[in-house]
Amino acid sequence: DARVTQTPRHKVTEMGQEVTMRCQPILGHNTVFWYRQTMMQGLELLAYFRNRAPLDDSGMPKDRFSAEMPDATLATLKIQPSEPRDSAVYFCASGLVLGVSEAFFGQGTRLTVV
Amino acid sequence: GQQLNQSPQSMFIQEGEDVSMNCTSSSIFNTWLWYKQDPGEGPVLLIALYKAGELTSNGRLTAQFGITRKDSFLNISASIPSDVGIYFCAGQLKSRAGTASKLTFGTGTRLQVTL
Repeated sequence: DARVTQTPRHKVTEMGQEVTMRCQPILGHNTVFWYRQTMMQGLELLAYFRNRAPLDDSGMPKDRFSAEMPDATLATLKIQPSEPRDSAVYFCASGLVLGVSEAFFGQGTRLTVV
Repeated sequence: GQQLNQSPQSMFIQEGEDVSMNCTSSSIFNTWLWYKQDPGEGPVLLIALYKAGELTSNGRLTAQFGITRKDSFLNISASIPSDVGIYFCAGQLKSRAGTASKLTFGTGTRLQVTL
C-alpha cells in the first residue's frame, strides 16, 4: 500500500532550536508539496518541488525555513531557529503531475515550539 | 495566502441524513478536489473533478464541478458515524505549459454525525 511517510510524527522543541522534518514521497511521484496546517490559517502551501527542483517556495518564511530534496526519495523541511509561532502540523504530499495533480498526503508532523 | 470559502463551517447531522457542502472562489480553477481529514491524520482524497459541469460519484459521495468553474459541491447521502471529520475542497489551475500548479485549499467543513 503506497503512502507518503513523514517523520517524526510529533516533535516538541525549545524556541531557537533547529527542527528537521522528513518526508518520503510515494515511489515514482515527481511532485512534492509541503503544507502547514493551523486552526487560524488552515492549510497553507509552503513550498513545492517537481523532479526535485523547487518550483514555488513563496509561502515559506525565507529567513528561517528551508526545503530541499536531496534525492527522489527524501524531502526535508528545516526551521532554524524555531519560534513558538511555528507550532503547527506540517504535511508533506506527493503527486504525479501529468496535467493534473492529485496530491496524496502523509500523516503529518505535529510540531510544538515552547 | 489565497483560500477558498467553504460553507457551512460546521454541521451536526443525524445518522441517515444527507449532507451538502460547497466551496466558492473568486478565481476559476481547472480542477477541483475534495479531501477528508480524520483527527491526527492527513487529508485523504475523495473525489477529483476535471471538467466544468462534471458530476462524479464515489460510493455515497457525489461532487460537482460548477459550470462557472468558480465553485464545487459535495453531497454525502445517508450519512454514517464514520463520515465524521473535516472536509476540504481544493482548486488547481494549469499553467500555460499545461502542467498542474499548486493546490489551493478551502477553509474546511467540520461534520459531526449523531446517532
